[in-house]
Amino acid sequence: NAGVIQTPRHKVTGKGQEATLWCEPISGHSAVFWYRQTIVQGLEFLTYFRNQAPIDDSGMPKERFSAQMPNQSHSTLKIQSTQPQDSAVYLCASSLTGGAVTGQLYFGEGSKLTVL
Amino acid sequence: QQKVQQSPESLIVPEGAMTSLNCTFSDSASQYFAWYRQHSGKAPKALMSIFSNGEKEEGRFTIHLNKASLHFSLHIRDSQPSDSALYLCAVPNTGGLSGKLTFGEGTQVTVIS
Repeated sequence: NAGVIQTPRHKVTGKGQEATLWCEPISGHSAVFWYRQTIVQGLEFLTYFRNQAPIDDSGMPKERFSAQMPNQSHSTLKIQSTQPQDSAVYLCASSLTGGAVTGQLYFGEGSKLTVL
Repeated sequence: QQKVQQSPESLIVPEGAMTSLNCTFSDSASQYFAWYRQHSGKAPKALMSIFSNGEKEEGRFTIHLNKASLHFSLHIRDSQPSDSALYLCAVPNTGGLSGKLTFGEGTQVTVIS
């Protein structure tokens, strides 16, 4: 079991450019979560899918951030017109249940985004 | 909206001592309480969780939960240098049983030899 796989591990973009981050959840897990981690804000929830359907995107900055889960083995987080304040480690996690009973989250090692 | 706060922000503990970490939450309907540990540059990993009031022990780690006080804690007995990490507490965001967790800002623990 390879765990949750995130790519790229590091990405540097210029202000105003687009960044796309990929996540492969653990096979058989029905829920996928995206979080953002910074020193100042800590670990912040962004969005959540269950059985590929979007369930809650209440943490997503609406104008420039979007997330998709086109199939059960792949989710993407896209940030358009990146800004320096978007610099963070973006963490993807999967969970066996992620619904009626809170299940343990399995995190990937993150994608560190740096916006210059 | 669930609010989760941790104390202290950081802690230095001598090897072999007890480490005690605190977490408070705002939603009294919460039914699941967890601790995660994150070594530097690595993924957060679930450490322990508890559903009901009281105490749960696993090896050197013990969770205490007091729902009436909106408080739970993690105690690490015989702390080791390998326990040096960021410790994060987590509670479901909307209270009750929810798939989405709200995390505290973390306690940075350093165990010195």
